[in-house]
Amino acid sequence: GAGVSQSPRYKVAKRGQDVALRCDPISGHVSLFWYQQALGQGPEFLTYFQNEAQLDKSGLPSDRFFAERPEGSVSTLKIQRTQQEDSAVYLCASSLAGGTYEQYFGPGTRLTVT
Amino acid sequence: DQQVKQNSPSLSVQEGRISILNCDYTNSMFDYFLWYKKYPAEGPTFLISISSIKDKNEDGRFTVFLNKSAKHLSLHIVPSQPGDSAVYFCAAIPFNNAGNMLTFGGGTRLMVKP
Repeated sequence: GAGVSQSPRYKVAKRGQDVALRCDPISGHVSLFWYQQALGQGPEFLTYFQNEAQLDKSGLPSDRFFAERPEGSVSTLKIQRTQQEDSAVYLCASSLAGGTYEQYFGPGTRLTVT
Repeated sequence: DQQVKQNSPSLSVQEGRISILNCDYTNSMFDYFLWYKKYPAEGPTFLISISSIKDKNEDGRFTVFLNKSAKHLSLHIVPSQPGDSAVYFCAAIPFNNAGNMLTFGGGTRLMVKP
């Protein structure tokens, strides 16, 4: 069965460029999460969707970060005017519902801002 | 302010011996704990979990122990195999968190030598 997929797998952006990272969750999974993982650290929560509703965006580091999930399936994380400190692996995870603890992760998108 | 800490960045163990990975937390509101395993260039994969109402959960070669009074949990792998070589993350979810977003530790790199 298909797991969580993310694209692109690698992205190099010049400082100041806008980027869009895509996540395709497991079909039927209600909950979708974005995490940011800096080099040598654990993933850190960015934002959470239940279906199309963004219920928590407390982890987004600045207003340059924006996420959407308009039809309750595919999600896009957009970063405007990228900065070097945005360089990280961006992980997407999905789970069946809010009451389910186990999250299934995609392979991540490695973003490098030069 | 790291709420979940894995104080050992790396651990080396001989094949067939026991691997013990440790995790400490500070937030007393955490009541569900998970261990994830991560290979390079892949997303974290769920390994085993434990609820705060238990002090032990076992699944094959993997056992997680929880000491609530010490705010400490550990993952035991017996016997260790070379394929277990990966980065292990512990993660926690607070009580009554509708979104179930995970708070991760920094990870421990386990190397199992043949």
